[in-house]
Amino acid sequence: DTGVSQNPRHKITKRGQNVTFRCDPISEHNRLYWYRQTLGQGPEFLTYFQNEAQLEKSRLLSDRFSAERPKGSFSTLEIQRTEQGDSAMYLCASSTQGDQPQHFGDGTRLSIL
Amino acid sequence: QQPVQSPQAVILREGEDAVINCSSSKALYSVHWYRQKHGEAPVFLMILLKGGEQMRHEKISASFNEKKQQSSLYLTASQLSYSGTYFCGTGPRTNSGYALNFGKGTSLLVTP
Repeated sequence: DTGVSQNPRHKITKRGQNVTFRCDPISEHNRLYWYRQTLGQGPEFLTYFQNEAQLEKSRLLSDRFSAERPKGSFSTLEIQRTEQGDSAMYLCASSTQGDQPQHFGDGTRLSIL
Repeated sequence: QQPVQSPQAVILREGEDAVINCSSSKALYSVHWYRQKHGEAPVFLMILLKGGEQMRHEKISASFNEKKQQSSLYLTASQLSYSGTYFCGTGPRTNSGYALNFGKGTSLLVTP
């Protein structure tokens, strides 16, 4: 069990640029979640996959955000035309079937200049 | 609907006890508790399921009151390592998954 891995750990970009983050879940976990966390807040749900199917997206997720999980393994989260408000820690979590613990990665911290 | 955690912050001396509460305005199927240290990922502590028993993780235990739609986390004989921010994540089960709604967290500092 190598844990959930996220890359990069930090990303600094200019407003208007596109960014892509990667998440490698725990190998036997078929569920993968993306959350966003800002300072002083709890993680905020963005989207969720079961295997390769994206089953739920938060209403807060704008059209600039897209996520994929090809082949049901790693996942990518892309943000197009980044805005200042996108600055946050982006957390990925994975779990097995059912109401099971979600194991979080260390996150990708995005800073928009 | 984001659950409400109380207190927002608490400072303890090593060995003292604390209670952190998590309340929801919606019916709950489950409550997840996590601890996050500064700059690190949230770490899972325990899950309480509707109709389930009180759970325990070392000297930390939790209860789930379905009628009151709330959960409480009990930290007994606190240790320095307990310092961090505690989050409850509530799961009104969605149609397809278990996306959690997290509270704003309770910051806990244990001093020597």
